[in-house]
Order: sequence, then C-alpha cells, then structure tokens
Amino acid sequence: SYVLTQPPSVSVAPGQTARITCGGNNIGSYSVHWYQQKPGQAPVLVVYDDSDRPSGIPERFSGSNSGNTATVTISTVEAGDEADYYCHVWDSSSDHQGVFGGGTKLTVL
Amino acid sequence: QVTLKESGPVLVKPTETLTLTCTVSGFSLRNPRVGVTWIRQPPGKALEWLAHIFSNDEKSYNTSLKSRLTISKDTSKSQVVLTMTNMDPVDTATYYCARLPAPEDPFDIWGQGTMVTVSS
Repeated sequence: SYVLTQPPSVSVAPGQTARITCGGNNIGSYSVHWYQQKPGQAPVLVVYDDSDRPSGIPERFSGSNSGNTATVTISTVEAGDEADYYCHVWDSSSDHQGVFGGGTKLTVL
Repeated sequence: QVTLKESGPVLVKPTETLTLTCTVSGFSLRNPRVGVTWIRQPPGKALEWLAHIFSNDEKSYNTSLKSRLTISKDTSKSQVVLTMTNMDPVDTATYYCARLPAPEDPFDIWGQGTMVTVSS
C-alpha cells in the first residue's frame, strides 16, 4: 500500500513562513489534499488538488507537488495557524483507498 | 448548508459489533457521483481512512480492516451506516464521516466526530 511520510513537527515564529512536507513515491503523479485540524475539532480542508484553495481559506495557504514531495506553505504565520496538518491522496493502485500522512504538528513560537 | 452528523454508542465491549450512523443534510445521497466516507482517529494519533460509498452504491474498504467493515446507505433517510465487527480496545477512536463530492475528490465537509471507547 502507498505510504505518505510527514515530519512529526514544524516550528515557526509568527510572521514567518511554514513549510510542511509530505513524502511519497512519485507523489507528483497524485493529487494531494491537505487538512488542518485544531485540538478537539474536526479536520478542515485547506488545500486540494495540490495547490487549490477552498473558498474561505486565506491566500496565505498554498501548495505544491513535484517528484517525491508535496508541500503546503503557510506564509505570514499567525498564532491561529497552530494545528495538526495532514496530507491525503487516493491510491488508485489499491481499489481507490484513501491514504493519510502521519500528520505534522505546527507550533507557532 | 451541508452538514454531516455522526451518531452511535459511546462505549462498546470487546468482541461486540459497532454500528455508526452518519446523517447528512444539505445534499442528497442520490446526487450523481457524491459519496460519504468514514475516517477514524485514535486519541493522539493520525487519521485513518476506513471506507466510502457512492450514490451508485460503489464501495471501497480499507484493506487491513475489510473483513470487519460494512458500509451501506439509506437514501430515503439521508443516512450512511458503518458497522465494524469484533471490536477491540485498539479501535477506541473518534469516528468521522465526511462528504466526497466525487470519486478521487478531497473530503470537503466533515462531521463533528463521535468518540467510541472499547472497554469491558
């Protein structure tokens, strides 16, 4: 089955740029979706299809995907961005199963 | 407004069968290509995709749990039901349902989740 690897944690100071990666074999050939989950809340979609933003998500959130790494970038980080972030792809090689990364805890210093 | 709401037992005993219901509003399970998925999250751990079902009744299950899972829908009631047999303490988790606008789409709207504890 397809495996997605995320760093357990990323720390950034307010106003700086945070980059959270999601590694997978040839992930550039997949569409990657990203979710933000704050404590005690359900996840929220923040980036889909590698780099698109749902309505209501700030332009500070962007995404890219190439080769073996997908990245969600959060510019001008705010305290309210502190959360867990998960990447997600559909594994068409195994009956279209959903696959999540292990999640990354973003800490705003 | 699209909403999904999970319901089911808070506590189940080991070896019992868990039945969870996701009641949707703001969209119809008859909509072409739309689907509903179940995802769980053990305390302090990552999200895990479990299963999904589409309006045409196409289903898919997590390979590692396939023998224990059954997903079904009642379109007239706007409900999607997930059953998981032979529950174990490691199945203790928050269980979410979420909408899939179409196959291969992201999960665009999530329910609030329901916490299920497996303990004797």
